[in-house]
Amino acid sequence: ETGVTQSPTHLIKTRGQQVTLRCSSQSGHNTVSWYQQALGQGPQFIFQYYREEENGRGNFPPRFSGLQFPNYSSELNVNALELDDSALYLCASSLDGLQRADTQYFGPGTRLTVL
Amino acid sequence: AQTVTQSQPEMSVQEAETVTLSCTYDTSESDYYLFWYKQPPSRQMILVIRQEAYKQQNATENRFSVNFQKAAKSFSLKISDSQLGDAAMYFCAYSPGLKYIFGTGTRLKVLA
Repeated sequence: ETGVTQSPTHLIKTRGQQVTLRCSSQSGHNTVSWYQQALGQGPQFIFQYYREEENGRGNFPPRFSGLQFPNYSSELNVNALELDDSALYLCASSLDGLQRADTQYFGPGTRLTVL
Repeated sequence: AQTVTQSQPEMSVQEAETVTLSCTYDTSESDYYLFWYKQPPSRQMILVIRQEAYKQQNATENRFSVNFQKAAKSFSLKISDSQLGDAAMYFCAYSPGLKYIFGTGTRLKVLA
């Protein structure tokens, strides 16, 4: 059992709206990473937060932003939603993102549909 | 660019038989980590096995083992004594640290 939870399970939004996805990391894990998984594809790295600071970012525009809180929870915010944002969004928590050997443990994901 | 390639979109195996899933990757790094994750219909990615590039010994976890060929940049997963519960999408992932780079996955079907 990984202990990583995400909410909501499913979400439907319309183009142009804003959305907030939530993640609760495993206790003791100070690093959270977010991934976007389009249908039929592998997850793509969005960004990582370590101790409430952004620690790295993938090839995603600034309308994708995040927050990490001291209580092991985190958020992914997406502004000005586009149809291509429809995907499964996964968060992954890990013990220490500064360690190369860090193993990430994934939550069950939030399925976002943009109409 | 660092990439991960899984050339088998779908594989089938008879229950109790052995199957091997292929993965190749491209990197100029010498120190990195490789992973196999399983994603069942529940969508949760579950860690199957992990390999450190500096270790020559192949990782093993119960019925799961890898064949890690660093020079060839190959990292295949062998599942022995396949069970119905092994049916899922399997993703190979590479990490130099920080982010994971995933392949496109292999769907494994287990036939009773």
